[in-house]
Amino acid sequence: GQNIDQPTEMTATEGAIVQINCTYQTSGFNGLFWYQQHAGEAPTFLSYNVLDGLEEKGRFSSFLSRSKGYSYLLLKELQMKDSASYLCAVRVFQKLVFGTGTRLLVSP
Amino acid sequence: DTAVSQTPKYLVTQMGNDKSIKCEQNLGHDTMYWYKQDSKKFLKIMFSYNNKELIINETVPNRFSPKSPDKAHLNLHINSLELGDSAVYFCASSQGAQEETQYFGPGTRLLVL
Repeated sequence: GQNIDQPTEMTATEGAIVQINCTYQTSGFNGLFWYQQHAGEAPTFLSYNVLDGLEEKGRFSSFLSRSKGYSYLLLKELQMKDSASYLCAVRVFQKLVFGTGTRLLVSP
Repeated sequence: DTAVSQTPKYLVTQMGNDKSIKCEQNLGHDTMYWYKQDSKKFLKIMFSYNNKELIINETVPNRFSPKSPDKAHLNLHINSLELGDSAVYFCASSQGAQEETQYFGPGTRLLVL
């Protein structure tokens, strides 16, 4: 089976930095994705890692360690609009297997 | 201008009915997907088509039947709807079956009474 774990919920303050962790145990690995989903909306692509290391994209960075089955999404200079669910997904052959998502609440 | 569109946005129906959800993408992508997101927000792949050919068929009841008339469209027909089918159904597309980025439609909120 496939197992992708994320914390259910996190809270942080505007302007702060938050790290959302994701651990996975899957039967295959062809890359790891992070998606953002605001309530009532579609998931939107944030980042993709297939090799170990850090990928930076503006305020968002994503890290991958394949040997540890571990990734994190780092959000800097948090804004109120960052309140959303963050979904970790692993590509196993041709399909994306999603974790249950982490709901992030940013407060003033 | 919408990249991936779905109709209807909301669907409320009685148990036992048959309903269809339509999806269209204007991105020129070859691969399209159907996902189900349940009340706990867990997003799970149901089907995927690449150039009108079925490439992923997860363990989904055979009451669910996808149809791809061309590579820009992927429809989902559901027979004999059950209470447990209530969920948000998302369509998505990507350039190819191996491509990294999937673009999601706005979702269809299905409520079975």
